[in-house]
Amino acid sequence: KAGVTQTPRYLIKTRGQQVTLSCSPISGHRSVSWYQQTPGQGLQFLFEYFSETQRNKGNFPGRFSGRQFSNSRSEMNVSTLELGDSALYLCASSSGLARYEQYFGPGTRLTVT
Amino acid sequence: GQSLEQPSEVTAVEGAIVQINCTYQTSGFYGLSWYQQHDGGAPTFLSYNGLDGLEETGRFSSFLSRSDSYGYLLLQELQMKDSASYFCAVREQGQGGKLIFGQGTELSVKP
Repeated sequence: KAGVTQTPRYLIKTRGQQVTLSCSPISGHRSVSWYQQTPGQGLQFLFEYFSETQRNKGNFPGRFSGRQFSNSRSEMNVSTLELGDSALYLCASSSGLARYEQYFGPGTRLTVT
Repeated sequence: GQSLEQPSEVTAVEGAIVQINCTYQTSGFYGLSWYQQHDGGAPTFLSYNGLDGLEETGRFSSFLSRSDSYGYLLLQELQMKDSASYFCAVREQGQGGKLIFGQGTELSVKP
């Protein structure tokens, strides 16, 4: 089976712009979660989608949003980018039965200048 | 809310045994997971403890004691390739069951 894929791998944006990141889960996985990873804060949970519904959400401002499509692919969007949004954004999928076992994609490295 | 504490860094020599501890404060969770992340790579799942006790997977073992709010990852016969960051994580009960990660422990294996 192909692993979790994320596009793009690297992105440079300027403050105030918006960005959309994409994630394709492992085939058959219906749960997709997003995380922000920074050196100072570690892995921070953003949100989780299951069957096109947001199942839960982390403590991030409303500028961070996401969605999931009927084929389980997911996108996250960050509007009005701030310098502090520079991070590695990781997507992970799971089967929904063993939600503790997540399969991570390689991440999108976002730099905001 | 939940919080998990891990040592920030651990150093050990090749062939040795190292234990990475994870203590947590949580109102309820389903189990404790461990992930490994090499520099520049994606986290990969190592083990899960749903119940108290020891789980063994090859050179890696993981332990959970809910009464002590404590768990650990044990790595035996250390190899240079084990140099990586190790994260413990718990899945909350309630609030949709989101996965909360510790800050990670950077393990350096020396020859």
